[in-house]
Amino acid sequence: AAGVIQSPRHLIKEKRETATLKCYPIPRHDTVYWYQQGPGQDPQFLISFYEKMQSDKGSIPDRFSAQQFSDYHSELNMSSLELGDSALYFCASSQKPSYEQYFGPGTRLTVT
Amino acid sequence: GQNIDQPTEMTATEGAIVQINCTYQTSGFNGLFWYQQHAGEAPTFLSYNVLDGLEEKGRFSSFLSRSKGYSYLLLKELQMKDSASYLCAVRDRTSNTGKLIFGQGTTLQVKP
Repeated sequence: AAGVIQSPRHLIKEKRETATLKCYPIPRHDTVYWYQQGPGQDPQFLISFYEKMQSDKGSIPDRFSAQQFSDYHSELNMSSLELGDSALYFCASSQKPSYEQYFGPGTRLTVT
Repeated sequence: GQNIDQPTEMTATEGAIVQINCTYQTSGFNGLFWYQQHAGEAPTFLSYNVLDGLEEKGRFSSFLSRSKGYSYLLLKELQMKDSASYLCAVRDRTSNTGKLIFGQGTTLQVKP
């Protein structure tokens, strides 16, 4: 069965650079969530989209923005990167809001 | 807000049964999820409870008591591959898309 696809899987950036993470949800899933997981920490909700509209916002810094496109894929844009942004970034999708969420393999971002 | 508590670490023996507890305090509860996460990998959906009682799924069972704000995940016939982190997550009813609030996770080590 198709799963959530994230790219890239690994990304190394320097401080103050920008990064774009991409997420392709499971086919026919219309809701996308972004989570950030720091080392040894639980996943923290960043932002979610339903039917291409931003729906919920969590602890997402103002330096980050995201959107969902017409084909339902989503991109997380991160600017002015800081060392503390180093983390695993997971995208999850669900068939409808509040259905179970299926997670992608994650993008490991390292900021040096 | 949400507060979710799980034990940090547990150890069990191969072939045995282990119970991982989760207590939560929430301002808006709309279901509880259990995920399994191996180090550096994506959380994998295990179970979902929204009504009181026991849900069984092969070697895994999950129980919920909404009045007590309590859930547990029961793993039977433990295998070495069950060594992982187990995340309890509450779905936020105030969220349009049902974002998940995760606990810190319980690291389970299965020994021969």
